[in-house]
Amino acid sequence: DAGITQSPRYKITETGRQVTLMCHQTWSHSYMFWYRQDLGHGLRLIYYSAAADITDKGEVPDGYVVSRSKTENFPLTLESATRSQTSVYFCASVKLKPTEAFFGQGTRLTVV
Amino acid sequence: DAKTTQPNSMESNEEEPVHLPCNHSTISGTDYIHWYRQLPSQGPEYVIHGLTSNVNNRMASLAIAEDRKSSTLILHRATLRDAAVYYCILNDMRFGAGTRLTVKP
Repeated sequence: DAGITQSPRYKITETGRQVTLMCHQTWSHSYMFWYRQDLGHGLRLIYYSAAADITDKGEVPDGYVVSRSKTENFPLTLESATRSQTSVYFCASVKLKPTEAFFGQGTRLTVV
Repeated sequence: DAKTTQPNSMESNEEEPVHLPCNHSTISGTDYIHWYRQLPSQGPEYVIHGLTSNVNNRMASLAIAEDRKSSTLILHRATLRDAAVYYCILNDMRFGAGTRLTVKP
């Protein structure tokens, strides 16, 4: 199916474990973004990528790692999950700035 | 980085126009102004964007001040389905807290 998909939709993990959230888009968009949204708050940019093998930090990158070996995939890894990383994570893609961004459905991550 | 400022919340009556303001006093000459909205339990969705001229689409209108330091998203007839958090952002794709719009029947 065409679009942008995130997996898993829901994840519960324990403190200290490594967890990877996946983001896949079918349009070959150049730009991809990861955000976190804490309950009752706006989105905060974690990392973004302008193209394959090009990534850069956003507002809150600490504790997260990203990679982009293929244009269509942009996984986000929490190297050692902490309770403060409990949040809803959104991935987005943009063909070219400053055009429309498309967002995934989000991954609800709970760290216990 | 350029930033945007929006009121935390606004209310509107159903079928009335809504004007959602946004200040971006440090906007650069190449920055577009983008608006997104987020319905409950969903990811943000694109509404409209513009550079200098006012813009219209099927969802809304965007009025941009001549000095580009502010803009207004206009929903011409609010419906209950327009109740959402509205975000005004620039090219850096950094979202603030947005404006929570409540639409009263």
